[in-house]
Amino acid sequence: EPEVTQTPSHQVTQMGQEVILRCVPISNHLYFYWYRQILGQKVEFLVSFYNNEISEKSEIFDDQFSVERPDGSNFTLKIRSTKLEDSAMYFCASSRTPEVYEQYFGPGTRLTVT
Amino acid sequence: GESVGLHLPTLSVQEGDNSIINCAYSNSASDYFIWYKQESGKGPQFIIDIRSNMDKRQGQRVTVLLNKTVKHLSLQIAATQPGDSAVYFCAENSFSSNTGKLIFGQGTTLQVKP
Repeated sequence: EPEVTQTPSHQVTQMGQEVILRCVPISNHLYFYWYRQILGQKVEFLVSFYNNEISEKSEIFDDQFSVERPDGSNFTLKIRSTKLEDSAMYFCASSRTPEVYEQYFGPGTRLTVT
Repeated sequence: GESVGLHLPTLSVQEGDNSIINCAYSNSASDYFIWYKQESGKGPQFIIDIRSNMDKRQGQRVTVLLNKTVKHLSLQIAATQPGDSAVYFCAENSFSSNTGKLIFGQGTTLQVKP
């Protein structure tokens, strides 16, 4: 069964450093998403991406964040200058259509900012 | 502001009993709801969905009930099994807004005692 994969599974970085979280969506999917989950809290929407541009973003997704689909298979989330409060689990999701019930989530990358 | 929340953080049930997990939402524009299951170390997995023109939907061992009058959603799991142990989230979407953005609730941890 096809699945969304994410690397690394755990990333530790120092405050102020740049990090890139990588996702490989399901191959025939066209819509891509990033969510985050701070430990013990709910999953929060960050951004949606379609046709090489951002479709929608939340207030969390400020200028420190960017997304990119550098090639036909990867979807990345970059945080330019990490803050302690960026520590969270980051989930990538993808779907073939814009229908939300078709979103498949990856296993997540745990980001720890020290 | 819009929010989706859950009544109880942890639910402990005996194997074989039925489980009921509740969710309250506040956005009247919400017209589509999904229940997700999140096992340790994994991303959210789709369980069942319901549109606002329905008040009940059944799947395999799971039933979702929607009460729009009081903005309440519940997930019923019949004959709960150890494999059902996980965190359960309700999520909301405004289907008519044609956005893939999901708004998640806080999550309820279901513990199944053998």
